[in-house]
Amino acid sequence: GAVVSQHPSWVICKSGTSVKIECRSLDFQATTMFWYRQFPKQSLMLMATSNEGSKATYEQGVEKDKFLINHASLTLSTLTVTSAHPEDSSFYICSAAGQGAIREQFFGPGTRLTVL
Amino acid sequence: EDQVTQSPEALRLQEGESSSLNCSYTVSGLRGLFWYRQDPGKGPEFLFTLYSAGEEKEKERLKATLTKKESFLHITAPKPEDSATYLCARGIREKLTFGTGTRLTIIP
Repeated sequence: GAVVSQHPSWVICKSGTSVKIECRSLDFQATTMFWYRQFPKQSLMLMATSNEGSKATYEQGVEKDKFLINHASLTLSTLTVTSAHPEDSSFYICSAAGQGAIREQFFGPGTRLTVL
Repeated sequence: EDQVTQSPEALRLQEGESSSLNCSYTVSGLRGLFWYRQDPGKGPEFLFTLYSAGEEKEKERLKATLTKKESFLHITAPKPEDSATYLCARGIREKLTFGTGTRLTIIP
């Protein structure tokens, strides 16, 4: 099956600093990548959709200036949480989808962000 | 408002005790109903995609079925390693909307 990796798997940072999370599709070219966040015992909430070489599309209520997304290649997307605050602490998960009319999304293992 | 509702929220079964998980959705124009398994602290693992009413797919002890308004994930003779949260999601265009999941615990 398709493999998606994320790095780092967990990160602890001080309030006010920025954190970058990488998402890579290892064995297929992902035309679209998605970023989700998940709070404890809750489901996944889509934050944004990114297509290679174009600007990300953010879901309502997600601050685009706070959550910077770059999708520079067909195998790599990055999410940067800028000026992180404790309320940004969450589990961030990316997914990647290939081409086709109905495309399964394959998820990375997630990144646990804790902001002190 | 489009919704994906899963029930029950949590389910505890004895090893070998078969059961079904439910996923219902309210939006027309469905483009795929997806089932995922998620273990604690990990990303979801893809299980099935169902595209049209009447479709069924199987994988080991799991079988997913789809009607016009709901999907079932049947688990037959489960084992402790089947314990996980099972998520369903409906696809509209390229996006997925997830339900809140069913937390399944299989007791040895």
